[in-house]
Amino acid sequence: ETGVTQSPTHLIKTRGQQVTLRCSSQSGHNTVSWYQQALGQGPQFIFQYYREEENGRGNFPPRFSGLQFPNYSSELNVNALELDDSALYLCASTLGGLAYGYTFGSGTRLTVV
Amino acid sequence: AQTVTQSQPEMSVQEAETVTLSCTYDTSENNYYLFWYKQPPSRQMILVIRQEAYKQQNATENRFSVNFQKAAKSFSLKISDSQLGDTAMYFCAFMKPLMQGGGSEKLVFGKGTKLTVNP
Repeated sequence: ETGVTQSPTHLIKTRGQQVTLRCSSQSGHNTVSWYQQALGQGPQFIFQYYREEENGRGNFPPRFSGLQFPNYSSELNVNALELDDSALYLCASTLGGLAYGYTFGSGTRLTVV
Repeated sequence: AQTVTQSQPEMSVQEAETVTLSCTYDTSENNYYLFWYKQPPSRQMILVIRQEAYKQQNATENRFSVNFQKAAKSFSLKISDSQLGDTAMYFCAFMKPLMQGGGSEKLVFGKGTKLTVNP
């Protein structure tokens, strides 16, 4: 069992729409990161949340936003979807960073048409 | 900015043989971590092995070992006694440790090497 659950597994949206992806981490995992993995590429860091606050962001526009909740779940929201947003979105959580390692979920495959 | 380069898009190996995947990186940092992740068709990213830059000894995990050359900024992965279950995408990744006072630990990934183990 992975310990990090993402939903939905697959999603198809239309350009211009908004989408919310969800991640449920293991109890105690107070840090969660989100990554975007385009087809044939390595994952790229979107942002990280620590104790419900964003504490780092990659090179992604503000229409990518997130939330982290006290129950160790989190969301990635993307507004005004573009065709290039089509990708696998991965959530990774940790109890305490590098000392404990990051656990990845199996991702949400988003297709924008 | 840190970059990670994997120069082998695809590789194949016969079952029970040994294969080495290459990775180079670019950074001005002195203290950092390097990782190899495996991503099977199930899509979940699974940690294979990690290396701390200040440790000169190469990390090993069962059939997996690395050759870490800090001066050359090279970090290759050797898989011994390859098994069919090793078939997957393999990603090399770099991480700078969390700085005191805040900031995030982010992984910088290479583009990956698709490894196929043939029976």
